[in-house]
Amino acid sequence: SQKIEQNSEALNIQEGKTATLTCNYTNYSPAYLQWYRQDPGRGPVFLLLIRENEKEKRKERLKVTFDTTLKQSLFHITASQPADSATYLCALERDDYKLSFGAGTTVTVRA
Amino acid sequence: GAGVSQSPSNKVTEKGKDVELRCDPISGHTALYWYRQSLGQGLEFLIYFQGNSAPDKSGLPSDRFSAERTGGSVSTLTIQRTQQEDSAVYLCASSTRDGKVETQYFGPGTRLLVL
Repeated sequence: SQKIEQNSEALNIQEGKTATLTCNYTNYSPAYLQWYRQDPGRGPVFLLLIRENEKEKRKERLKVTFDTTLKQSLFHITASQPADSATYLCALERDDYKLSFGAGTTVTVRA
Repeated sequence: GAGVSQSPSNKVTEKGKDVELRCDPISGHTALYWYRQSLGQGLEFLIYFQGNSAPDKSGLPSDRFSAERTGGSVSTLTIQRTQQEDSAVYLCASSTRDGKVETQYFGPGTRLLVL
């Protein structure tokens, strides 16, 4: 069956450090992968998309990598700030072209 | 509209009552999803509407759950004879597709508490 796995542990980091989140998947052949951010009490918000033929994508302090051989995406938050504290979800396109979401990783950035 | 809206934002009901949750998607978005999110959990897919096609109901947990989408726009999710395990946040998302790529836009959710 298709499965998406994200860091099961919450991530607690010091302000200014880099947070690295992992998204591993099985039995998917996605044309692209997305990352969303969810704040408490809010719906997820789209952050970044990376296509299967792209190795790396950047947006401000965010960097995403996509390794279709390893079936893994890494999501980096560089120079982290307390405002980056949230839950981050990865999402993949299923065979029926609908998105499927991972359970998310909660990041807490300490000042 | 500016984004996806949902109502009510919070709903407290007694076990056994029926509830209706509403979603107003972004104008022009042909696809609409309902998800359920329990405390600290990921998104559980419930149902998917795409244009005039038959909805994908494969995620509905029981026949107490139903949804409709009128005129290709507003959607209502109905839960009949609510149970305590139905307590969760119900999220609606509408999406746009650019070629193969779909991006989902979420509403703020309805927090349902069944006593």
